[in-house]
Amino acid sequence: SQKIEQNSEALNIQEGKTATLTCNYTNYSPAYLQWYRQDPGRGPVFLLLIRENEKEKRKERLKVTFDTTLKQSLFHITASQPADSATYLCALAHNAGNMLTFGGGTRLMVKP
Amino acid sequence: DAGVIQSPRHEVTEMGQEVTLRCKPISGHNSLFWYRQTMMRGLELLIYFNNNVPIDDSGMPEDRFSAKMPNASFSTLKIQPSEPRDSAVYFCASSPGAGNTGELFFGEGSRLTVL
Repeated sequence: SQKIEQNSEALNIQEGKTATLTCNYTNYSPAYLQWYRQDPGRGPVFLLLIRENEKEKRKERLKVTFDTTLKQSLFHITASQPADSATYLCALAHNAGNMLTFGGGTRLMVKP
Repeated sequence: DAGVIQSPRHEVTEMGQEVTLRCKPISGHNSLFWYRQTMMRGLELLIYFNNNVPIDDSGMPEDRFSAKMPNASFSTLKIQPSEPRDSAVYFCASSPGAGNTGELFFGEGSRLTVL
């Protein structure tokens, strides 16, 4: 069966450190993968997209890697800040890119 | 841009009642999606429309759920009759449509509680 797995346990880190979140998938051949941020009581907000032929993508303090052999994406936030505390969701695009299936999300807590 | 607008933001109803959730997508977006989010199951795709036409409704739980998109600026998700297990946050999202990267723009959600 198809699965998208993110660590369901919260990740607690100290301000200034790098946060690394993992997204693993099985039985998908995604054209691309996206990461979203969701704050409590709000809808998810798009952060980054990485295509299957890209190894790495950066945007400011964010970095995403995509390994189609390992079927894994890593999401990094460098120099983390308390304002980065939120739930981060990965999503795989399939069905010719017209549908997004989301992982369960990982909650990140950055402590001052 | 106003973003995706959903109403109501909160709805509390009793089992057996009809519930209608509404969504106004971003102007010019051709694709519209309805998702449901619960702690147990996360964010699940219920149905999506392209150019007002339902393309995939395989995620709709059962016949009690129905969705319509009568025009490019409005969609509804209806549950009739509602049950306590339908309690969740329902999100509407829109996307520019075919040929784009598939980035979704989400509304703030409608939190439904069925007693």
